[in-house]
Amino acid sequence: GQQLNQSPQSMFIQEGEDVSMNCTSSSIFNTWLWYKQDPGEGPVLLIALYKAGELTSNGRLTAQFGITRKDSFLNISASIPSDVGIYFCAGWGSSYGKLTFGQGTILTVHP
Amino acid sequence: SQTIHQWPATLVQPVGSPLSLECTVEGTSNPNLYWYRQAAGRGLQLLFYSVGIGQISSEVPQNLSASRPQDRQFILSSKKLLLSDSGFYLCAWTGNTEAFFGQGTRLTVV
Repeated sequence: GQQLNQSPQSMFIQEGEDVSMNCTSSSIFNTWLWYKQDPGEGPVLLIALYKAGELTSNGRLTAQFGITRKDSFLNISASIPSDVGIYFCAGWGSSYGKLTFGQGTILTVHP
Repeated sequence: SQTIHQWPATLVQPVGSPLSLECTVEGTSNPNLYWYRQAAGRGLQLLFYSVGIGQISSEVPQNLSASRPQDRQFILSSKKLLLSDSGFYLCAWTGNTEAFFGQGTRLTVV
């Protein structure tokens, strides 16, 4: 079945630093999604990517759909304390029946 | 606009008791529906997903079951809860290209 490997598993950074995380797939994906989850809440969609090579921004967040269609990255610029949370990548492969998630990246931002 | 409702928000149940968590979606038709479990604020484990009424795919053999009696209703059940069933349960729906989550249910089995 489809698998997503997300890295790093956790990050501890200073406020103001930039952050980068990525996901790789064992198979081709047609859609990549990036989510953020605050404690005790459901994940919230940050960015959706639909085409290989696509680069999309949402405020300080930028994500790209890899050209090989087997990877995606998320960058956060000038981190702030409210960026703390768990970030998940997710995607669909050849079938839209099942959404696959990465293991998550726990982000901690020190003021 | 589409919304997803999940309840209850928190639940404390004794071992051996039954469970029923409900999820409903508004503003869309024929969504794909999912139940995930998250332990210790970490990864999302897919439990069940459904592409239509009465169509349930189970990802992990366990003490739980799911049903979809109506197009926009997804129910997670158990006849007898185990301690290991404790966790954060999330319902999600997908349209063609995006997925949206409910607020989650924190289940504690005591």
